[in-house]
Amino acid sequence: DARVTQTPRHKVTEMGQEVTMRCQPILGHNTVFWYRQTMMQGLELLAYFRNRAPLDDSGMPKDRFSAEMPDATLATLKIQPSEPRDSAVYFCASGLANPLQGANIAFFGQGTRLTVV
Amino acid sequence: DQQVKQNSPSLSVQEGRISILNCDYTNSMFDYFLWYKKYPAEGPTFLISISSIKDKNEDGRFTVFLNKSAKHLSLHIVPSQPGDSAVYFCAASEWWDMRFGAGTRLTVKP
Repeated sequence: DARVTQTPRHKVTEMGQEVTMRCQPILGHNTVFWYRQTMMQGLELLAYFRNRAPLDDSGMPKDRFSAEMPDATLATLKIQPSEPRDSAVYFCASGLANPLQGANIAFFGQGTRLTVV
Repeated sequence: DQQVKQNSPSLSVQEGRISILNCDYTNSMFDYFLWYKKYPAEGPTFLISISSIKDKNEDGRFTVFLNKSAKHLSLHIVPSQPGDSAVYFCAASEWWDMRFGAGTRLTVKP
């Protein structure tokens, strides 16, 4: 059963604390995305990686957010220090980029609901 | 800067009728368009897509229409069923740079 796995599902933390969200992409997928869902912006693209290299992280607040792929089976999104306005649901998605085919479907995890108090 | 816009936050239709969800985009470089469906406490799931070289794609009860000149796409669900009640996200991509709209909450009433 291939799926994107995100941990933790829920996280409550105090303002100023470091938060790390983890994602295991579908085995064999070479593209990984981080999105944030807010009421006003919908699904907001934070960053995405191809073959573990960051292609675009312009959607992330650089001073406090960082995204990495230590290996092909793990992507992390860190917030340090966290602020109440970071409260949202964070989704990881993965897909297989194939230059020979046009389809580019991303498969989403169940998300991490972050609450910063 | 919202490159993909879904201007209707919600839509309510009667079971058996047609649901039409709309989406507008601003970036003419987008070449692939997708609709995702999201239930509460779950991640979005892929529903249907269309390439920019086409103007229509159909899959069962779901049809996506693309009007490139107007930079507009729509999702038609016929007939609508109560199980279709969910939030629908429109997405547009230029290769793998995929941008989403704010979503439309569809409620199908029995």
